[in-house]
Amino acid sequence: SQQGEEDPQALSIQEGENATMNCSYKTSINNLQWYRQNSGRGLVHLILIRSNEREKHSGRLRVTLDTSKKSSSLLITASRAADTASYFCATTSGGGADGLTFGKGTHLIIQP
Amino acid sequence: NAGVTQTPKFRVLKTGQSMTLLCAQDMNHEYMYWYRQDPGMGLRLIHYSVGEGTTAKGEVPDGYNVSRLKKQNFLLGLESAAPSQTSVYFCASISSPQGYSNQPQHFGDGTRLSIL
Repeated sequence: SQQGEEDPQALSIQEGENATMNCSYKTSINNLQWYRQNSGRGLVHLILIRSNEREKHSGRLRVTLDTSKKSSSLLITASRAADTASYFCATTSGGGADGLTFGKGTHLIIQP
Repeated sequence: NAGVTQTPKFRVLKTGQSMTLLCAQDMNHEYMYWYRQDPGMGLRLIHYSVGEGTTAKGEVPDGYNVSRLKKQNFLLGLESAAPSQTSVYFCASISSPQGYSNQPQHFGDGTRLSIL
């Protein structure tokens, strides 16, 4: 079953604006990761936040994690046309060896 | 380095046919995974391997078999393809087992499989 649920399912914004995507999950986790998928391509890892962390930054990306609410958000600042893609949150739990559990994704479109 | 390479990239099969998807990684990664992605869905884990000669079932293993005879290769087999197996299949790997739970997975570009 899908662990995470992203919200919104689709998001269209103007270039230069900020994009925020949310993810909720159901069970306790070791970490939560965000991946990007361009059309017809594989997934590319963006950022990983551990269960004992609350916020993490990487370039124009900011991720927050609230384990009490079982939720995370991904903020992309100053969006660019190249950010158009699908974004997935994924979690690991237990030992983590048994793979990632993904949400259904948010499709982000950046309008030029 | 090529990273994670999947072959073939596209394939069309008839119901009942068999085929093997190959995943190869050149990063000396210990753990490897097969996922499937269906329209509007995230990825779901089919099978995984924590080392050469080992395999384990994931969330949706029925209708698939896997083998990890060499550390760098992870094969996914469909013995008798069904239309429900039409999907995009992704392979992924993780580096060292130590601290694996806090490391990202590296993905291939996928195999697009259609079963008629």
